Amino acid sequence: GAGVSQSPSNKVTEKGKDVELRCDPISGHTALYWYRQRLGQGLEFLIYFQGNSAPDKSGLPSDRFSAERTGESVSTLTIQRTQQEDSAVYLCASSGSAGANVLTFGAGSRLTVL
Amino acid sequence: KNEVEQSPQNLTAQEGEFITINCSYSVGISALHWLQQHPGGGIVSLFMLSSGKKKHGRLIATINIQEKHSSLHITASHPRDSAVYICAVDSYDPRLTFGEGTQLTVNP
Repeated sequence: GAGVSQSPSNKVTEKGKDVELRCDPISGHTALYWYRQRLGQGLEFLIYFQGNSAPDKSGLPSDRFSAERTGESVSTLTIQRTQQEDSAVYLCASSGSAGANVLTFGAGSRLTVL
Repeated sequence: KNEVEQSPQNLTAQEGEFITINCSYSVGISALHWLQQHPGGGIVSLFMLSSGKKKHGRLIATINIQEKHSSLHITASHPRDSAVYICAVDSYDPRLTFGEGTQLTVNP
């Protein structure tokens, strides 16, 4: 597609449930990033994928968070046993390659954990 | 001290005013990004620059590598420019380091 697509756009879940967030990057973009933005706060790095290299998971806040990417296409961010502090907008971005390239962001997935 | 600092944090202007948002950083960088985030959360990349100056419409971004400083200027500001403007640096680390953002409100 022309842009980065994220789904769902909004997700309301109960504490303790698992959620999956999906990101479909721009075709041909080898780098893919996940960020989290809590209400009123800045962007927080979670994970990035570059081609077939091992992902940089250094930003994942706990072992309840995991992400996968199939080749250079779709990525899924999974949050297990959700907690209220997981409520945030989860943003995906892609670029032609990691480093010194323009990022294109998706519209985000707003997660609310009740 | 944050590696990336933006000023001001909040800025209110009248339509038509010239606006400047500043970004200072303390690390060596390969590139600096200016991003715009509208209410509702969507983020748009405005500029990526590693030297000099770039212009797009009413927006101008400059960077001084020696002084580790960048500015984003908006000429003839308009209420639709109201948004959060975010500076982010690539310090040879693809994760990027983000400033806290500048909330701009342009009143008609």
